[in-house]
Amino acid sequence: GNSVTQMEGPVTLSEEAFLTINCTYTATGYPSLFWYVQYPGEGLQLLLKATKADDKGSNKGFEATYRKETTSFHLEKGSVQVSDSAVYFCALSPIQGAQKLVFGQGTRLTINP
Amino acid sequence: EAGVAQSPRYKIIEKRQSVAFWCNPISGHATLYWYQQILGQGPKLLIQFQNNGVVDDSQLPKDRFSAERLKGVDSTLKIQPAKLEDSAVYLCASSGRGRTDTQYFGPGTRLTVL
Repeated sequence: GNSVTQMEGPVTLSEEAFLTINCTYTATGYPSLFWYVQYPGEGLQLLLKATKADDKGSNKGFEATYRKETTSFHLEKGSVQVSDSAVYFCALSPIQGAQKLVFGQGTRLTINP
Repeated sequence: EAGVAQSPRYKIIEKRQSVAFWCNPISGHATLYWYQQILGQGPKLLIQFQNNGVVDDSQLPKDRFSAERLKGVDSTLKIQPAKLEDSAVYLCASSGRGRTDTQYFGPGTRLTVL
């Protein structure tokens, strides 16, 4: 079946530190991959996406590359800010059937000034 | 552009009671989703509509959960009777028809079953 595994949280970093949140997936075929973010008190919003192997999604200084050989989609940012504190969800959309999203369990990120 | 609207934002009920949640998707979006997000977990799809037809309800507990989408616009999710394990945030999302169209999420309804 389809599943997503994220690194365990919570993750706490200092401002300007380098961020990596690991995400690996299991799927048949070639799914689309997403990172969603949930800021405190707000709804889920799309951060970035990639729809085929070797694609790189990027937004707000965050990047993730679709790696088919390692079935991974790790989220990175070179210099985090306090405003990046949120819960981050990795998700996939299977190529077959409906457009549904299958989410990982989420990683809570806290950035200290 | 208005986002996905949901109501109520919070609901507290006793077990075995019934409850209903409402969702108004982004105008023009053909596809509507209901997800259940239990504390500490990622959202799990309960049901997906394309216009007013059901595309996927494989993970909907049909003995107690029901959903409808009247006229292909608003949707209602109902739980009857509620159990303690139904305590969660219920998220509504909408998107266009394309497989890679972005899903836009509403703020969610936080349900507590006592």
